[in-house]
Amino acid sequence: DAKTTQPPSMDCAEGRAANLPCNHSTISGNEYVYWYRQIHSQGPQYIIHGLKNNETNEMASLIITEDRKSSTLILPHATLRDTAVYYCILGGSNYKLTFGKGTLLTVNP
Amino acid sequence: DTGVSQDPRHKITKRGQNVTFRCDPISEHNRLYWYRQTLGQGPEFLTYFQNEAQLEKSRLLSDRFSAERPKGSFSTLEIQRTEQGDSAMYLCASSHGGAGVSYEGYTFGSGTRLTVV
Repeated sequence: DAKTTQPPSMDCAEGRAANLPCNHSTISGNEYVYWYRQIHSQGPQYIIHGLKNNETNEMASLIITEDRKSSTLILPHATLRDTAVYYCILGGSNYKLTFGKGTLLTVNP
Repeated sequence: DTGVSQDPRHKITKRGQNVTFRCDPISEHNRLYWYRQTLGQGPEFLTYFQNEAQLEKSRLLSDRFSAERPKGSFSTLEIQRTEQGDSAMYLCASSHGGAGVSYEGYTFGSGTRLTVV
């Protein structure tokens, strides 16, 4: 029962910003938004998470709308190594993450 | 510490055989998780340990599956009487959690790919 909706695939040119959307209209007040990515043949990798405020770290930025019903993960300067499946996940505690099918981001040279 | 280690990386077994996978988490992580991933799908939660206690098991974890984490360190996942439907990538992850601990995300291993023939 995926609680998030993501496009199945997106393309991005190398060096440009990649903006990955996620809809979570049924998010509850205590649920965080987590982003993970999975490069082919590897385990998922944590990227970033947030509750209400926008967040930034060395990997990405997370923009959460004021009503918290959607969010956008931004990779500011995508590289070929950013090609991966990106998962947007809701969770109220730091266990039992429920992954959907995610968005396959392909970064093109 | 080089991260979460899983062994073996690949396992091919005949239907009906038993298999066991091992996961070595990051040493200071008290939480350990097992997930299963089939082709084209996201990982599915199987079970979760806090230290040595198994706190939750998914309905996906049938009676043929058992997981242990003796002494709260490494964990094993055993599948008895394997079936072709058990073919999947089995992922282990660990994290540091608890009251007052800030979230740092799961660290996943590279997984064990099981093929049942």
